[in-house]
Amino acid sequence: QKEVEQNSGPLSVPEGAIASLNCTYSDRGSQSFFWYRQYSGKSPELIMFIYSNGDKEDGRFTAQLNKASQYVSLLIRDSQPSDSATYLCAVMLNSGYALNFGKGTSLLVTP
Amino acid sequence: DAGVTQSPTHLIKTRGQQVTLRCSPKSGHDTVSWYQQALGQGPQFIFQYYEEEERQRGNFPDRFSGHQFPNYSSELNVNALLLGDSALYLCASSIQETQYFGPGTRLLVL
Repeated sequence: QKEVEQNSGPLSVPEGAIASLNCTYSDRGSQSFFWYRQYSGKSPELIMFIYSNGDKEDGRFTAQLNKASQYVSLLIRDSQPSDSATYLCAVMLNSGYALNFGKGTSLLVTP
Repeated sequence: DAGVTQSPTHLIKTRGQQVTLRCSPKSGHDTVSWYQQALGQGPQFIFQYYEEEERQRGNFPDRFSGHQFPNYSSELNVNALLLGDSALYLCASSIQETQYFGPGTRLLVL
């Protein structure tokens, strides 16, 4: 079973702090990694994707990938109450086209 | 530039009925994937269509079928509905690996 694991949370951080969201995956054949944000009652919205080991930054968001340890993380700097949502980690295998999702981590940013 | 669109937004059916959901991909995208998202879970891959063919299928029964049209739009059909089919059905379009989701169709089976 190709699994993607995330802490369900809720992860609570104060406004202005850094939120750190983690994801581990089981299949070493995974090649592409995605973070989506999903507000309650809405569909997933792409935040970032990362293919190579290391960090990738986009505004307040940084994705980090470590293929040797099979984990990918998302850092949100200067967290805002509007960042409160469920964050979904998704992984695509080298051999396929499907996104395998974790169950998501619920983030709550408190004013 | 229109994003991914889906119809209808909500649907109520009874057990045993059949349902058809529709998706129009983002402009310039040629690939459509369908996902099922149960409450509190991550989306589960149903299948992907490319060049009007099913390119990959997830672990869903044959009751779930689909189609892609020459204009790249797609339909998801579910036959013999079960209570457990109640979920948010998401369509995602892509041209390479990155998939963009539509607003979804919320299906309730009574």
